[in-house]
Amino acid sequence: EAQVTQNPRYLITVTGKKLTVTCSQNMNHEYMSWYRQDPGLGLRQIYYSMNVEVTDKGDVPEGYKVSRKEKRNFPLILESPSPNQTSLYFCASSLSGTPYEQYFGPGTRLTVT
Amino acid sequence: GQSLEQPSEVTAVEGAIVQINCTYQTSGFYGLSWYQQHDGGAPTFLSYNALDGLEETGRFSSFLSRSDSYGYLLLQELQMKDSASYFCAVKAAGNKLTFGGGTRVLVKP
Repeated sequence: EAQVTQNPRYLITVTGKKLTVTCSQNMNHEYMSWYRQDPGLGLRQIYYSMNVEVTDKGDVPEGYKVSRKEKRNFPLILESPSPNQTSLYFCASSLSGTPYEQYFGPGTRLTVT
Repeated sequence: GQSLEQPSEVTAVEGAIVQINCTYQTSGFYGLSWYQQHDGGAPTFLSYNALDGLEETGRFSSFLSRSDSYGYLLLQELQMKDSASYFCAVKAAGNKLTFGGGTRVLVKP
């Protein structure tokens, strides 16, 4: 089944404790991206990747890191999480090198206390 | 930067037609996408317009006017399952994608 998977789905952590949210797609998609969704603010792009070893900042990259060592995986790293990073996070991918038609993962709900 | 404006909420009855407008300001416009998101779910792709005009996909249609920096999503023959949030999004230079704040559509019996 073609899909984007994220792990974990739910995470509660404390300020400053490094964490990684994994994202994997089995569709051989070139473009991958991370978004955060907050009430009243819609979806905001954090980082995106056009292909392996190619990453670029979205609209809200501060406090996040990503890597794209393999085409299928695009982990999101929070080196020192803070409470303002409490949010719902989505990973997405698209076949072409453009973001027009994206397939989203199920989401990761992160709470930082 | 980019900004998109869309209404926050629309209410309609089953069988009706709903139009969700989206106006945008962006440098280097490349296309307008629409996504649907049910409560508790992930966004799903609905349509994409790169050129002016109307694109029809079943009960949903999407329209774009590049000269007016404006587009809309038309939902016809509304069904209860269409109750969801709908987001417009624009791709600007550099392959970033910026979303609007979303329009919550509530369909009543």
